[in-house]
Amino acid sequence: DVKVTQSSRYLVKRTGEKVFLECVQDMDHENMFWYRQDPGLGLRLIYFSYDVKMKEKGDIPEGYSVSREKKERFSLILESASTNQTSMYLCASSFGPGNEQFFGPGTRLTVL
Amino acid sequence: GQQVMQIPQYQHVQEGEDFTTYCNSSTTLSNIQWYKQRPGGHPVFLIQLVKSGEVKKQKRLTFQFGEAKKNSSLHITATQTTDVGTYFCAEEYGNKLVFGAGTILRVKS
Repeated sequence: DVKVTQSSRYLVKRTGEKVFLECVQDMDHENMFWYRQDPGLGLRLIYFSYDVKMKEKGDIPEGYSVSREKKERFSLILESASTNQTSMYLCASSFGPGNEQFFGPGTRLTVL
Repeated sequence: GQQVMQIPQYQHVQEGEDFTTYCNSSTTLSNIQWYKQRPGGHPVFLIQLVKSGEVKKQKRLTFQFGEAKKNSSLHITATQTTDVGTYFCAEEYGNKLVFGAGTILRVKS
């Protein structure tokens, strides 16, 4: 079974802090994705990566950056957290760009 | 950007009633995927439709892809309390998926 894990289920940070969200997949997938989920807005893509050290902006990249140094790990970075970044963050991976995506359990981030 | 419209946003049904959610796109889709997210859980892949007019069934769930490949539907026959959750469609766009806003299904027992 594909397993996608995320470093924290719940996280509380203060405005201005640097925040790291980690995601690891164990199925040797090429593609990895970071989404945020807010009520009524569905899943919005922040960044994705189709290879190590490669990244592409999604629909809402502002205020975020990513890092993919190893194939199995994809990190989302909030350089200076703000209250409007309070959300559920979901990581996903897939074998190919159009293939089914496997999601991690999510990290609920609260920025105070 | 690319957008797929999903309706309704919310539906509350009596157990045993049917339920349908619809996805519509202004452009022709190469394929469409459906996901289910249980309350407190994460999205889980249900199915992918590729061919024009395709119909696929999974027990009480029926998935359809429109003839023009611009719309899709998910129909649940005789809903059960285990069907509660949010159902998302997603279209492939370049190297990524674009998700609809989802339909929240609540089932009264």
